[in-house]
Amino acid sequence: EADIYQTPRYLVIGTGKKITLECSQTMGHDKMYWYQQDPGMELHLIHYSYGVNSTEKGDLSSESTVSRIRTEHFPLTLESARPSHTSQYLCASSEERLGAIEQYFGPGTRLTVT
Amino acid sequence: RKEVEQDPGPFNVPEGATVAFNCTYSNSASQSFFWYRQDCRKEPKLLMSVYSSGNEDGRFTAQLNRASQYISLLIRDSKLSDSATYLCVVYVSGGYNKLIFGAGTRLAVHP
Repeated sequence: EADIYQTPRYLVIGTGKKITLECSQTMGHDKMYWYQQDPGMELHLIHYSYGVNSTEKGDLSSESTVSRIRTEHFPLTLESARPSHTSQYLCASSEERLGAIEQYFGPGTRLTVT
Repeated sequence: RKEVEQDPGPFNVPEGATVAFNCTYSNSASQSFFWYRQDCRKEPKLLMSVYSSGNEDGRFTAQLNRASQYISLLIRDSKLSDSATYLCVVYVSGGYNKLIFGAGTRLAVHP
């Protein structure tokens, strides 16, 4: 089992609230990622980080922001939640071994904005 | 055109059947290839890497054809527990090293 954690697992919140989704990993991985996935749909990369103080936007435009102050921690923040932000958010980290990359996912946060 | 294309399915097969999934990728700079499995409402998990010479892990066999930019996964003797979505994933390096996920192929194995 991968040591990558996300909290909360489920969140129902009203429009306009600020929320932070937590992600942490204890594997010492430099690379971390946030994906957004709607039910039955594909994963979309929204943010990634290659190490402390490094963050980049992914392929899917997102109103969220991220920070990477510590290797093990990669929180995602929505300043003002909207119903369109309702989705599942998956955090991941990766390592390269023997020339191949293996990515580990957290259990996800299912966000509902009412 | 998507960078990684898969037939979304669903593939509905009886227990014991052999089923094959295909995947094509568009970026010839893709270096590494994987199959991930995602159960309903769960996170994706690595099923197996795909090597150039092809590789097998129990009932699962993965093949890679770099010339055609095509990857396959064969599942023999399907079990009910194989029901899931199978994601084809490619790793592209150079500039922005990242994994690109296909939308997945759904498999439903029935008794």
